[in-house]
Order: sequence, then C-alpha cells, then structure tokens
Amino acid sequence: AQSVTQLDSHVSVSEGTPVLLRCNYSSSYSPSLFWYVQHPNKGLQLLLKYTSAATLVKGINGFEAEFKKSETSFHLTKPSAHMSDAAEYFCVVRKRGYSTLTFGKGTMLLVSP
Amino acid sequence: SAVISQKPSRDICQRGTSLTIQCQVDSQVTMMFWYRQQPGQSLTLIATANQGSEATYESGFVIDKFPISRPNLTFSTLTVSNMSPEDSSIYLCSTGDSQMNTEAFFGQGTRLTVV
Repeated sequence: AQSVTQLDSHVSVSEGTPVLLRCNYSSSYSPSLFWYVQHPNKGLQLLLKYTSAATLVKGINGFEAEFKKSETSFHLTKPSAHMSDAAEYFCVVRKRGYSTLTFGKGTMLLVSP
Repeated sequence: SAVISQKPSRDICQRGTSLTIQCQVDSQVTMMFWYRQQPGQSLTLIATANQGSEATYESGFVIDKFPISRPNLTFSTLTVSNMSPEDSSIYLCSTGDSQMNTEAFFGQGTRLTVV
C-alpha cells in the first residue's frame, strides 16, 4: 500500500520569501512522485514529477522538489513566493508501473503582500 | 500531453435526480479515471474506466450509484444517480498511462451542488 502525508494543511508566507511545502510518502516499491497545484475554481495542473531520474526536479513557475529516499520525503520549494502562487498544492504518489494515484490531503498556500 | 474537456463545469441539482458528467480527451488513452473531491478534502478515486470492459470501482463506491461508460478511447461519462446533498462535490476525470509512466492529466472538474 502507498500513502502520502502532507505535513501542513496551511502555509502562510509573505511575497518574496521562500516557500516550503512538506510531503512524506510511504511506498513498498520505488514510486513516482508528483506535485499538482489547484487554483480556485480551476483544474489540477502538474507542477513537477519525479520518475527515477535526477533526484532534484525542477518544475514550472520556479518550483522544485528533491526526492530523498532515506527520508521518504519529496518537499516542494520555491525561493521567492509570488501572489499568484496562492493555491492548494497536492503531493501525489504512484506505484511505478501502475496508473492509480494516491493524493495527499493538500496544503493551502497563502501569500500576503 | 492530453487535453481533457469536461462538462458541465458546474450544476445545481435537486435531490433524487441524476447528473451525467462527460469527459472528452483530445487523444486516445488507455485508461480514464474518475475522482471525487469533497469540500475541503483531497481527491478520492471513484473508479477506473477501460474501453471495452466494465469499470473497476474503489472501496465505498458502487456501480448503481456511479455508473460509468467508456464507449471509445477518447470519451467517458460518469453518472451520479439518485443524488443527495452528501453527493455535493467536485468530480474530476483524469487520464494516465502506466506503460508510458507519464503524469496524469485532469479535466477542469464539475462542481456539483445537490439541494
């Protein structure tokens, strides 16, 4: 079985400061890991994915995440938050070779001026 | 990548009625998935729909309540039957191909309110 734990339900930052959204996973096999973003009243958009290549993954809009097998973590970071980053972020795990996704509960990122 | 058109984008329905949600993909895909996102919650998989076979439902979801059709490789429908206020959620369709190890693509979602 696989599971995803997003450690914070809400994260508040000021514009221009760094963003850290934490995600830990549990998987019996080497997983594929994803971060998706959901803006209000919009669908899910892929930010980045890890599928066994480089452990540091760069995504869109300046986001990146590092796969740390020893810590079973896949935290999402961004050096400088922008107001448009305010949204809900989902960490997602998929067992390699399967299509079923397991979603974390989501982290709401709030960005203040 | 795949572009998914999902409709309706939102609807308000009377309890006891049914609503059919449609998803059209701009390319042929092996597997399509239907998710539910209840208010303030994460996404929960309802079922997996393969063309030419019956959908596979996750624990807690049954075909009588959520019948699914998959007539071809680019289209699927989910019906929410005999609705109650507890069915008020966002419903999303998604594609994915485990063989290609690609990411999943999602429709815009259908925001359903049952009154």
